[in-house]
Amino acid sequence: DIQMTQSPSSLSASVGDRVTITCRANYRIDTYLNWYQQKPGKAPKVLIHAASSLQGGVPSRFSGSGYGTDFTLTISSLQPEDSATYYCQQSYSTLMYTFGQGTKLEVK
Amino acid sequence: EVQLVQSGAEVKKPGESLKISCKGSGYSFTNYWIGWVRQKPGKGLEWMGIIYPGDSDVRYSPSFQGQVTISADRSLSTAYLQWSSLKASDTAIYYCARPIGSDGTLDLWGQGTLVTVSS
Repeated sequence: DIQMTQSPSSLSASVGDRVTITCRANYRIDTYLNWYQQKPGKAPKVLIHAASSLQGGVPSRFSGSGYGTDFTLTISSLQPEDSATYYCQQSYSTLMYTFGQGTKLEVK
Repeated sequence: EVQLVQSGAEVKKPGESLKISCKGSGYSFTNYWIGWVRQKPGKGLEWMGIIYPGDSDVRYSPSFQGQVTISADRSLSTAYLQWSSLKASDTAIYYCARPIGSDGTLDLWGQGTLVTVSS
């Protein structure tokens, strides 16, 4: 199994801050890495696909980078509505995807 | 509208069987894989397995192999997740999700089905 490890598990930041969440794979996955946002009581929503491609309709303050085993999700200027849990997902292993454990973000 | 609509919440006792559903609409259901994701209360997302409704090819995550059965009915544009004997540890929200394209992005999700197993 390809394991995905996110850090930190939780963080708190203020409106306007720049926030970075990292995701590490235990196997090289090229750019087969996606990021999701999940708000309480809702299904996850894709933000970034293929490591750095912004999904349509997602605000441009979200960005992704990385290749191989190390990836980052950055929110350039945090907004109150960004309070959520964020997950990375590898899709290198065809049809056998795995998720990171999640990062809970609180906006102060 | 392209969407996945899941069946409603269930409350079951340990040992009972259950089948929940995920109905696709607004797109060609048989041409896209449909996966299932478990989320235990207050926990993260776990990939369970996936089915191609076109030919019912199913792949299970090793953690869920033998624990659940994934199936589909092309004529109803519906995928299913079933248990033959539920345990309390099966209590969770179950999502269906559709990967799009070759990069495995899960671009379409159902609203989730809460399954509660309690004596």
